[in-house]
Amino acid sequence: GESVGLHLPTLSVQEGDNSIINCAYSNSASDYFIWYKQESGKGPQFIIDIRSNMDKRQGQRVTVLLNKTVKHLSLQIAATQPGDSAVYFCADGRGYSGAGSYQLTFGKGTKLSVIP
Amino acid sequence: DAGITQSPRHKVTETGTPVTLRCHQTENHRYMYWYRQDPGHGLRLIHYSYGVKDTDKGEVSDGYSVSRSKTEDFLLTLESATSSQTSVYFCAIRPRQGVTEAFFGQGTRLTVV
Repeated sequence: GESVGLHLPTLSVQEGDNSIINCAYSNSASDYFIWYKQESGKGPQFIIDIRSNMDKRQGQRVTVLLNKTVKHLSLQIAATQPGDSAVYFCADGRGYSGAGSYQLTFGKGTKLSVIP
Repeated sequence: DAGITQSPRHKVTETGTPVTLRCHQTENHRYMYWYRQDPGHGLRLIHYSYGVKDTDKGEVSDGYSVSRSKTEDFLLTLESATSSQTSVYFCAIRPRQGVTEAFFGQGTRLTVV
């Protein structure tokens, strides 16, 4: 079936370095992709999204790259800080039906640990 | 927290008992969702609602029912709880069609013993 997966379950980076979190997807019909950050004991928090007709999108300290040829997206975090320590999920979003349905399929998550 | 309140935050219940989780929002958003989160599975959609009394199933809906009689409340019911339903449940809301961002609640940790 369709799935959204992550290449690595854990990632440790030194404070100040850049982090790259990868994600593979299988559904070519996805309309957009979203990255979420989840801190311990909290609900997921939206970071950034990218439409399927885009290759790159930048936010504050974060960049998402989408490679539709190999069905891969990545989240790059610049100058990683201790506050970036969390589990990061990628999700792909499907199109809308007449009822406006919207379903996100989440990957299993990558735990990012920042070493001070 | 985008005006989302989940209750209770923690619950322990016995197998076979009914359980209802509540999601309350103050933003008058149209779309509401229930997810469960389990180790190794990420977040999986249980049910969602696109308006008052308008609901539909997600990928893991068996054993769950939902109701939405008011815009602000979305209830998730486990008719007869099983140990496999031990999980963390998250409610999410989305403002309107065309907006990708969904806001999540703090979660409800449910343990079925």
